Amino acid sequence: ETGVTQSPTHLIKTRGQQVTLRCSSQSGHNTVSWYQQALGQGPQFIFQYYREEENGRGNFPPRFSGLQFPNYSSELNVNALELDDSALYLCASSLNGEQPQHFGDGTRLSIL
Amino acid sequence: EDQVTQSPEALRLQEGESSSLNCSYTVSGLRGLFWYRQDPGKGPEFLFTLYSAGEEKEKERLKATLTKKESFLHITAPKPEDSATYLCAVQVDSNYQLIWGAGTKLIIKP
Repeated sequence: ETGVTQSPTHLIKTRGQQVTLRCSSQSGHNTVSWYQQALGQGPQFIFQYYREEENGRGNFPPRFSGLQFPNYSSELNVNALELDDSALYLCASSLNGEQPQHFGDGTRLSIL
Repeated sequence: EDQVTQSPEALRLQEGESSSLNCSYTVSGLRGLFWYRQDPGKGPEFLFTLYSAGEEKEKERLKATLTKKESFLHITAPKPEDSATYLCAVQVDSNYQLIWGAGTKLIIKP
């Protein structure tokens, strides 16, 4: 059974740039959720995709957007990067949105 | 407002010294409470799900319990490899989202 994989593991960008993070869900899972985790904090829900459709969104601005592909892999796109976007971005997958979710090891994004 | 608070923020124990971590929650309706373990540089790893007050789950040296207002993660005779940040999250009836606490960083000294 293949777990959740994320790429890249680390990324450095400057303010105003755009970034795309990628996630491959666990085998058999059709739901992907994205989270932002600041240092010393718990994860904050960004949005969830179920069968290629956005299925809910947290309190994040529209410059955070996403996609889910027919193979259930997913992308998180962030435009006009700000310093506060520096964080660990986590992807989690599950079957039909049920708990528990299974997490990847995240992408560490640093904004200079 | 739905809220999850974990205490203490950090806990240092000697190997073999048992203790408990607390997760208190204020939510409109609890659908489930989840405990995860997170090692440095890694994603959260699922430990337990609890659904109703009075429920208990055990795994090796860990035992999770649930009341109507809080959950405890009891760790018995911990070992250095139990060192990690332990995160608590709740799912409310009206939402599929998880609401997370900030975690407790547990350090077990040999």
